[in-house]
Amino acid sequence: DAGVTQSPTHLIKTRGQQVTLRCSPKSGHDTVSWYQQALGQGPQFIFQYYEEEERQRGNFPDRFSGHQFPNYSSELNVNALLLGDSALYLCASSLMADSQSTDTQYFGPGTRLTVL
Amino acid sequence: AQTVTQSQPEMSVQEAETVTLSCTYDTSESDYYLFWYKQPPSRQMILVIRQEAYKQQNATENRFSVNFQKAAKSFSLKISDSQLGDAAMYFCAYGAGNKLTFGGGTRVLVKP
Repeated sequence: DAGVTQSPTHLIKTRGQQVTLRCSPKSGHDTVSWYQQALGQGPQFIFQYYEEEERQRGNFPDRFSGHQFPNYSSELNVNALLLGDSALYLCASSLMADSQSTDTQYFGPGTRLTVL
Repeated sequence: AQTVTQSQPEMSVQEAETVTLSCTYDTSESDYYLFWYKQPPSRQMILVIRQEAYKQQNATENRFSVNFQKAAKSFSLKISDSQLGDAAMYFCAYGAGNKLTFGGGTRVLVKP
């Protein structure tokens, strides 16, 4: 049973460019959440997708957008890259419980994005 | 907004000894979940242990156990019989409404 997978592993971009990161959830999971982890810090929630819609969003600008496909896989897109976007981007999958519950989130290995 | 605080940037423990990591959180919710995740140099976040706030009994998972004090909003992790493979960053996380809020992490060093 494959866990959460992410691609690519590493990515180098220049300021102003656009980037797309990809995530495949753990088998049986229907919800994908994205987190940004700056060096030496804890992950910060970007947004969450369920049933192909953005369900929740953290404090990130509109330059960060995403998509979920019918097979539950997801993409994170970042436009107009800034130096400060350099970070480890983590994808986590889970099962959507009711609005009050929180299912355990399982993380992928992350994509290291470097913006020059 | 919920906040999670880990006050110990780094902890060192001798192999086979016990170490306790501290975590406090702030919330106005009554129903939530708490997690400890381990992040080794390989970067992948690995779930260590999970606690439901409505359960009074502290969660345990092999050598890992928690001390959950709901009134004090405290959620510490105890690692017993520490092994070299326990060396990693440990993150405490608060979960409500399917969203996780993480602390800043504690680096655990294990001395042979």
